[in-house]
Amino acid sequence: QVQLQESGPGLVKPSETLSLTCTVSGDSISSHYWSWIRQPPGKGLEWIGYIYYSGNTNYNPSLKSRVTISVDASKNQFSLKLSSVTAADTAMYYCARDGRYCSGGICSRAFDIWGQGTMVTVSS
Amino acid sequence: DIVMTQSPDSLAVSLGERATINCKSSQSVLYSSNNKNCLAWYQQKPGQPPKLLIYWASTRESGVPDRFSGSGSGTDFTLTISSLQAEDVAVYYCQQCYSTPLTFGGGTKVEIK
Repeated sequence: QVQLQESGPGLVKPSETLSLTCTVSGDSISSHYWSWIRQPPGKGLEWIGYIYYSGNTNYNPSLKSRVTISVDASKNQFSLKLSSVTAADTAMYYCARDGRYCSGGICSRAFDIWGQGTMVTVSS
Repeated sequence: DIVMTQSPDSLAVSLGERATINCKSSQSVLYSSNNKNCLAWYQQKPGQPPKLLIYWASTRESGVPDRFSGSGSGTDFTLTISSLQAEDVAVYYCQQCYSTPLTFGGGTKVEIK
């Protein structure tokens, strides 16, 4: 079955860059859009952005100046970089697959497969 | 950005009773071209990632029990659990997929009364 696994440092210092990777197994990364979503402790969900295997990206404007999402199709992975982090970036970070539920030529961006998440704490 | 507002923040329902969660979007999420609402519902249990329950506002994801149903159109949507089971204790989120940035509601916590 399709599985997503996040990996990366669990602790990042303020002002540094958070870097995470999501490894996709059981599916080709070229078949879907892939997103990063985060959830601060005890709070709700925030979509960070998505990428297609072609490199096409779309970022949340609230984070756009600090976010880069990239894809490595040869490794079936996609990655997140978030620069200049502060304590407000402390969160569980999830990678997720866009299920591509399409109707009449329009595909919904509903997330059908999620990784287990990785907790990232920003602290000195 | 489309703001998603859920109500109530939490609710306690007896086992076997109906639970109803509301979600309101700040603008319509209805695509006129296919007459479908781009609205999804998720269930999140403690320590787990969210699980997709419903997409296109009312289509159940494969494997989701039929006691879960979604309804609504335009800006007002509802997730109904027809007969609450103990395993349904969770936080439920709505998400609009009509436009980016994709946005989620604040969540509704469902507990057993």
